Amino acid sequence: DIQMTQSPSSLSASVGDRVTITCRASQGIRNDLGWYQQKPGKAPKRLIFAVSSLDSGVPSRFSGSGSGTEFTLTISSLQPEDFATYYCLQHNVFPPAFGGGTKVEIK
Amino acid sequence: EVQLVQSGAEVKKTGESLKISCKGSGYSFSNYWIGWVRQMPGKGLEWMGIIYPGDSETKYSPSFQGQVTISADKSISTAYLQWSTLKASDTAIYYCARLYSGYYLSHLQYWGQGTLVTVSS
Repeated sequence: DIQMTQSPSSLSASVGDRVTITCRASQGIRNDLGWYQQKPGKAPKRLIFAVSSLDSGVPSRFSGSGSGTEFTLTISSLQPEDFATYYCLQHNVFPPAFGGGTKVEIK
Repeated sequence: EVQLVQSGAEVKKTGESLKISCKGSGYSFSNYWIGWVRQMPGKGLEWMGIIYPGDSETKYSPSFQGQVTISADKSISTAYLQWSTLKASDTAIYYCARLYSGYYLSHLQYWGQGTLVTVSS
């Protein structure tokens, strides 16, 4: 199975900060990686698919990048509504696997 | 509009059986894989398995193989997740989600609202 190592597991940031979250795969997964946002008490929501394609309605302050085994989600200017937990998901190799999550908290 | 509506919260005893549901609408239910994801209290997301409603082909993560059964009834656009013998460790929120395409290795695009399952002795 592929392991997805996500870092950091949590971070504290202020509104307006630039935030970067990383996912590392235990083997190459081409561009078969997505990012999800989950707010407390809510279902996850897809933000990004195919490494860098933003879902419809997702603000442009979110971006994804990477290739092979290392991938990054960046929030260019953190907004109050962005405080949530973020997960990556690889779907290149069966079974698909989520990263452990990154909780973004208010500083 | 694609929607996945899950059945309500359940409170069960250890050893009991349970079947929860996920009803899809707004798309051709038979032609897209539906997956199930577990979230234990305070923990992350775990991919459990998927089903293709068109022919009921299923694929399970090894961690969940034999622990749960995924099924679907395409005539009523509903997928199911069931347990024959519940354990306290099955306490979690369970989400269904529709895959992006008819290919089994694609990402999860649309999500249900989640079903909380609480199992106690």
